[in-house]
Amino acid sequence: DIQMTQSPSSLSASVGDRVTITCRASQSISIYLNWYQQKPGKAPKLLIYGASSLQSGVPSRISGSGSGTDFTLTISSLQPEDFATYYCQQSYITPGTFGQGTKLEIK
Amino acid sequence: EAQLLESGGGLVQPGGSLRLSCAASGFSFNNSEMNWVRQAPGKGLEWLSYISTSGSTIFYADSVQGRFTISRDNAKNSLYLQMNSLRGEDTAVYYCARETLRAAGAFDYWGQGAPVTISS
Repeated sequence: DIQMTQSPSSLSASVGDRVTITCRASQSISIYLNWYQQKPGKAPKLLIYGASSLQSGVPSRISGSGSGTDFTLTISSLQPEDFATYYCQQSYITPGTFGQGTKLEIK
Repeated sequence: EAQLLESGGGLVQPGGSLRLSCAASGFSFNNSEMNWVRQAPGKGLEWLSYISTSGSTIFYADSVQGRFTISRDNAKNSLYLQMNSLRGEDTAVYYCARETLRAAGAFDYWGQGAPVTISS
């Protein structure tokens, strides 16, 4: 199985900050990388697919980049509703493994 | 509006069985590839199983291979997960999820989750 490693595991930031979350795959996955946001007690929400394509309805302050083994999710100016846990997921090969998550908290 | 609604979760003794259902509405279910994903308490997401639009192609995670069975009924717009030989480590919230038509393996619609507890 492909292992997905996110960093950091947790992050404290303030409204208006620019934040970046990193996801590294144990082998090359081309651009088959997706990002999800999950709030407590809720189902995950797809933010980015194909490493950099913004899912419909997701604000443009959220962006993704990368290819091969290294990927990033960037939020350009944090809003109160962005505080949540973020997961990356590879869809290059079954099983579509997820990263362990990055919890974004208010500073 | 697209919606997935799971049902069938609950408390089961170790070794027992449970069948989860996922009712789809608001989108073309018979043209959608479907999956089950779970999340143990306080843990991350774990993909469990995939089924193609016709049901002819199915995949399982190693952790549930041979114990869980995914199926679908396109006439009823429903997805199922039959879970047998349940263990404590199967305790989790179980989500059904649709693969987006734009990118295989990315999940754009999720159910609200069905909690499953395995305990004596």
